[in-house]
Amino acid sequence: GESVGLHLPTLSVQEGDNSIINCAYSNSASDYFIWYKQESGKGPQFIIDIRSNMDKRQGQRVTVLLNKTVKHLSLQIAATQPGDSAVYFCAEISLTGNQFYFGTGTSLTVIP
Amino acid sequence: NAGVTQTPKFQVLKTGQSMTLQCAQDMNHEYMSWYRQDPGMGLRLIHYSVGAGITDQGEVPNGYNVSRSTTEDFPLRLLSAAPSQTSVYFCASSYDRALRGQYFGPGTRLTVT
Repeated sequence: GESVGLHLPTLSVQEGDNSIINCAYSNSASDYFIWYKQESGKGPQFIIDIRSNMDKRQGQRVTVLLNKTVKHLSLQIAATQPGDSAVYFCAEISLTGNQFYFGTGTSLTVIP
Repeated sequence: NAGVTQTPKFQVLKTGQSMTLQCAQDMNHEYMSWYRQDPGMGLRLIHYSVGAGITDQGEVPNGYNVSRSTTEDFPLRLLSAAPSQTSVYFCASSYDRALRGQYFGPGTRLTVT
């Protein structure tokens, strides 16, 4: 999962396998959660979001799961491809409190 | 659509200098924001705007000013650059405050000596 520090958590997977990236969030009042992908030298790219009243949302090859009981968010990538290699980070958004918190990320490396 | 564009891509400033980072989007998004990204830290919100003529402070606004005279443009001004402002700056736009469908620019790498 994500943590604050100079070294990102890393995950290495074989091409074709599924990847699971985890994120622990802090604010039980957050309204939305977002996953981003950031390739080296580029800006973050929005992948998928989920509202706090949902526990699962699926996109193209990605699924986000939200467990509010333990304040945990995960991103599942199916059939991981070399182009999926990047840093993935989550964000939690509280519209009421106008708070936006972005995690530091997990570095995913896909081995061909 | 060009999406979100930022200029310059790289900039070196001396302490005390001022400059403006440019940001433009062509998606007619109402919500725009500026972030800085530092090693070992997540993105931190500097300023944001919910529409033309409306701006507000984020988590780390000190030393930065913004304005939003049009829907398309959201420049970030560094008033008197300090070494602590060395960072990568990202501009982003989205169609709402929940950041849904958010697009980021390519970033500006700023070094203050």
